[in-house]
Amino acid sequence: AQSVTQLDSQVPVFEEAPVELRCNYSSSVSVYLFWYVQYPNQGLQLLLKYLSGSTLVKGINGFEAEFNKSQTSFHLRKPSVHISDTAEYFCAVTEDGNKLVFGAGTILRVKS
Amino acid sequence: EAGVTQSPTHLIKTRGQQATLRCSPISGHTSVYWYQQALGLGLQFLLWYDEGEERNRGNFPPRFSGRQFPNYSSELNVNALELEDSALYLCASSLGVQETQYFGPGTRLLVL
Repeated sequence: AQSVTQLDSQVPVFEEAPVELRCNYSSSVSVYLFWYVQYPNQGLQLLLKYLSGSTLVKGINGFEAEFNKSQTSFHLRKPSVHISDTAEYFCAVTEDGNKLVFGAGTILRVKS
Repeated sequence: EAGVTQSPTHLIKTRGQQATLRCSPISGHTSVYWYQQALGLGLQFLLWYDEGEERNRGNFPPRFSGRQFPNYSSELNVNALELEDSALYLCASSLGVQETQYFGPGTRLLVL
């Protein structure tokens, strides 16, 4: 069965510093991978997705992620964060392209 | 283009009552998904509808049910409400099978 592990429940970082949010998945077959962001009291917004092809995926708001099949990872990165990036970030995986399995989420706290 | 809409935004019920949550997908989307985001349990897949049919359901009891209408909007019904049903219920839609899911703002259900 597929599963997703987000290794950090909270990541504090200063404004303009780089950040990496870690995500590892478990699956016996090929998967599609996603990162979603949730701002307080809102739904989920798609940041980026990996379906196939280039392992480096660029998303909105300056975020990017790299798919590493051998390490079964899909870490999210941003070279310089802003206060407005403070939110909860969810990594998700699907084997069948329909049922999303989410990680527990990582709260990114950007400090000035 | 309008995104996924959900109503109501908040819903307060008492134990044993029934709750009905509604979702309108993005125009042109035929698949609708429901997820539960409960405190301490994370985001869990509930149901998937496509072209009016239930295609898959998550590990939830039968008192969670729903339907999809000919205009592709969807209802989620929760019968015999329990305290632990208190959660944010998120609806997502996609263009079809194995397409990216886009989420609505959610309905926050509180069971007293």
